[in-house]
Amino acid sequence: NAGVTQTPKFRVLKTGQSMTLLCAQDMNHEYMYWYRQDPGMGLRLIHYSVGEGTTAKGEVPDGYNVSRLKKQNFLLGLESAAPSQTSVYFCASSYSQRGRGGYTFGSGTRLTVV
Amino acid sequence: GQSLEQPSEVTAVEGAIVQINCTYQTSGFYGLSWYQQHDGGAPTFLSYNALDGLEETGRFSSFLSRSDSYGYLLLQELQMKDSASYFCAVPLNTDKLIFGTGTRLQVFP
Repeated sequence: NAGVTQTPKFRVLKTGQSMTLLCAQDMNHEYMYWYRQDPGMGLRLIHYSVGEGTTAKGEVPDGYNVSRLKKQNFLLGLESAAPSQTSVYFCASSYSQRGRGGYTFGSGTRLTVV
Repeated sequence: GQSLEQPSEVTAVEGAIVQINCTYQTSGFYGLSWYQQHDGGAPTFLSYNALDGLEETGRFSSFLSRSDSYGYLLLQELQMKDSASYFCAVPLNTDKLIFGTGTRLQVFP
């Protein structure tokens, strides 16, 4: 049981380049989330999905897009990377609302934009 | 709006007890969660409190007082491996969690 798998684990981008981060979960969870983590700022929600085919904006959605075409996958796209998007990105999934059963997080993607 | 406050850092020695506090401000309350994150690792779920009182899971306990908009995580018999960051989190509306900025716990021998 792999849980939540994120790819890639590390990436260096040049300003203006695009990329897609992939999140896959094998727990049949309805809810999936993308967070970014910066030093001293905790985890901030970028986008989330409450089910296949749905997406919604979180706290810091600007510069990012997402898609959830299949229940098990949640993709995060950066169309034109900026140095301010240098961060660690975490994907998470859950079976319940409100965090009752806890979120399961992936191991993270460390992105540097130069 | 929603906000959570927790201390930025706490230190303790092995074998001691430490309490990490969290105060929250929400438009509606659905529950308070706690997560642990070791350096370089992913957050892992520790506990969830929806009702007032203390819930115990091994060496870790979590407390909630809804009337005070306050909760805490209690770690007993501290071990070196407990050195990590601890985050409280509350749901924004019903379907997404908002996290505090985290408390870094350092356990010394």
